[in-house]
Amino acid sequence: QVQLQQSGPGLVQPSQTLSLTCAISGDSVASNSATWTWIRQSPSRGLEWLGRTYYRSKWYNDYAVSVKSRITINPDTSKNQFSLQLNSVTPEDTAVYYCARDLTGQNYFDYWGQGTLVTVSS
Amino acid sequence: EIVLTQSPATLSLSPGERATLSCRASQRISSYLAWYQQKPGQAPRLLIYDASNRATGIPARFSGSGSGTDYTLTVSSLEPEDFAVYYCQQRSNWPITFGQGTRLEIK
Repeated sequence: QVQLQQSGPGLVQPSQTLSLTCAISGDSVASNSATWTWIRQSPSRGLEWLGRTYYRSKWYNDYAVSVKSRITINPDTSKNQFSLQLNSVTPEDTAVYYCARDLTGQNYFDYWGQGTLVTVSS
Repeated sequence: EIVLTQSPATLSLSPGERATLSCRASQRISSYLAWYQQKPGQAPRLLIYDASNRATGIPARFSGSGSGTDYTLTVSSLEPEDFAVYYCQQRSNWPITFGQGTRLEIK
């Protein structure tokens, strides 16, 4: 059974960096078929795909254009997890953030983390 | 960017009734569409992928259909646990996009 366990702070100050981690059990971040994704959800923007990391003989990343200049997603094979960093946050980045697995690289998400509400406020 | 428009915004039905939810894409998406169910305080749950394939463990009362720009999720006979918000998602073109959701509520 795959499980994704998210961790990270729920409050971030404006202009600072949002950092979240997604620990994987039951699968490997270095899987040659799965991809590992961050998605956020807010009342104003709905569900928004942010980016992904995946391994196909080497590591790849894809990011949404809307956050491309501010986002980094990194795998950590030693801990079997992946992380999200979003720089220079504003109140518009306030959302519930989810990590998710796409089993086959077809961009459908079959397992999700529990979600983390991140509020950007001073 | 492909825009997905879901209708209706809210659907009020009783247990045992049939639910029909729609998702219209702003351009053809070749059946590269998924449906998710989300309950309060929970992450979305994958129900249907590639327009008509049920995900693992999803009951047979959930079915998907459609082609081109118009897609439908049908729940043949509503159970109490089916009342939730439903989202469609396309993977035909980057970026991946989601619809705004249909709330299925108990009448």
